[in-house]
Amino acid sequence: KQEVTQIPAALSVPEGENLVLNCSFTDSAIYNLQWFRQDPGKGLTSLLLIQSSQREQTSGRLNASLDKSSGRSTLYIAASQPGDSATYLCAVRGSQGNLIFGKGTKLSVKP
Amino acid sequence: NAGVTQTPKFQVLKTGQSMTLQCAQDMNHEYMSWYRQDPGMGLRLIHYSVGAGITDQGEVPNGYNVSRSTTEDFPLRLLSAAPSQTSVYFCASSSPRAARTEAFFGQGTRLTVV
Repeated sequence: KQEVTQIPAALSVPEGENLVLNCSFTDSAIYNLQWFRQDPGKGLTSLLLIQSSQREQTSGRLNASLDKSSGRSTLYIAASQPGDSATYLCAVRGSQGNLIFGKGTKLSVKP
Repeated sequence: NAGVTQTPKFQVLKTGQSMTLQCAQDMNHEYMSWYRQDPGMGLRLIHYSVGAGITDQGEVPNGYNVSRSTTEDFPLRLLSAAPSQTSVYFCASSSPRAARTEAFFGQGTRLTVV
C-alpha cells in the first residue's frame, strides 16, 4: 500500500529565506506527483505536476524535483514571502489513477 | 471557466439525516473522485469514477453512496449521517488520460453532524 510522508509537519521561517519541503513515498510505481497549496478553509490549488519520467518542474519561485527510484520529491521555494504561508500537500498518482496524499507541511513566513 | 463546483459550501445535519453533496465539472473530465479531509488524517479517498456508469470504492467508503449518470456530475450521498462523518469533503476531477494530467479540486463542503 502506497504511503506518502511529508516532513516537516510545520515550518516557520523569516521572510526572504529559501526553503525546502520534503515528500517521500513508499512505492516507486507512480505515474506522477503533484504539489498543492491549501489556504485555511479553502480548497486545493495545484502548484506543480511532475510526470514519472521527469526530474523537475519550475513555476516562478517554485521548483519541484522528483527522484522516483528513491521515492522522494522536494518543493523548493525561493525568496519566501508572507503570502506563501499555507499548507503544502504532496500527492502521488498510482496505477488506478487515484491520488494518495501526504498530511502536509504547514508553512508560516514571518514578515 | 467554472472548473469543479461543489454545493453546498456548508451544511449542518442531525444524526440519522440523509443528504447529497453535489459535484459538477465542466472540463469533460472522465475521472472524478471524492475525498474527506480530517485533522491529523490528511485527505482520504471515499469513492471514485473512471467514467459515466462506473464507480468504485476508495479507502473509506462506508456510509457513503455514489452514482455517475453523466460525465459532468458525481454526487455523494450520505445515507444516515453520523457524527464521525463531520469533515470537509472535496471533489476532484482529471482528464481521460488520468495518469498524465493534473487533478482539479472543488472548494470543498464543510459538513457538521450533530
